[in-house]
Amino acid sequence: GNSVTQMEGPVTLSEEAFLTINCTYTATGYPSLFWYVQYPGEGLQLLLKATKADDKGSNKGFEATYRKETTSFHLEKGSVQVSDSAVYFCALSGGTGGFKTIFGAGTRLFVKA
Amino acid sequence: NAGVTQTPKFQVLKTGQSMTLQCAQDMNHNSMYWYRQDPGMGLRLIYYSASEGTTDKGEVPNGYNVSRLNKREFSLRLESAAPSQTSVYFCASSEALHTRGNEQFFGPGTRLTVL
Repeated sequence: GNSVTQMEGPVTLSEEAFLTINCTYTATGYPSLFWYVQYPGEGLQLLLKATKADDKGSNKGFEATYRKETTSFHLEKGSVQVSDSAVYFCALSGGTGGFKTIFGAGTRLFVKA
Repeated sequence: NAGVTQTPKFQVLKTGQSMTLQCAQDMNHNSMYWYRQDPGMGLRLIYYSASEGTTDKGEVPNGYNVSRLNKREFSLRLESAAPSQTSVYFCASSEALHTRGNEQFFGPGTRLTVL
């Protein structure tokens, strides 16, 4: 069945550092890919998404490109801020696995001032 | 526009007690979901409702029941709570089940502890 694997955390960075959180997936067909973010004490909210190969999702300075050849959807940001401290979840839905959204285990990011 | 609301925010139960978690959305969404979040395991789907009047089991339904009361409300019931049900519970909604790139909107969660 479908699955998502993302890098374990926590990831600790200094403000203005470059961020990469790796995400790879296993799925048949053409799933949609997502990054959700969870700030402390809150529910998840969509950060960005991509629905077909080579699409780039972007929002709030974050970007991720849907790479079908490497089955990856890595999250990047050029310069992180303290306010980016949160847990980031990679997820997929669709393809031949059906509608259900499959979430990765989450990666906690700490950004130090 | 409140989005997805959940009550209560926190709850402590003793083993064997029952309770109902409430969820409501004001976005006129057709589909609603209940997840549990445990450390290191991401979110796991407990039950979902594709549309008003329908409910189906997700990945981890044992020990839970649900009711889709109307289009807005979707409740989760624990009939006899067990320590293994200690978790954070999230309700979510989306426009429809099978829409490509279907974004889900989440409530703030209920933190449940079963002693």
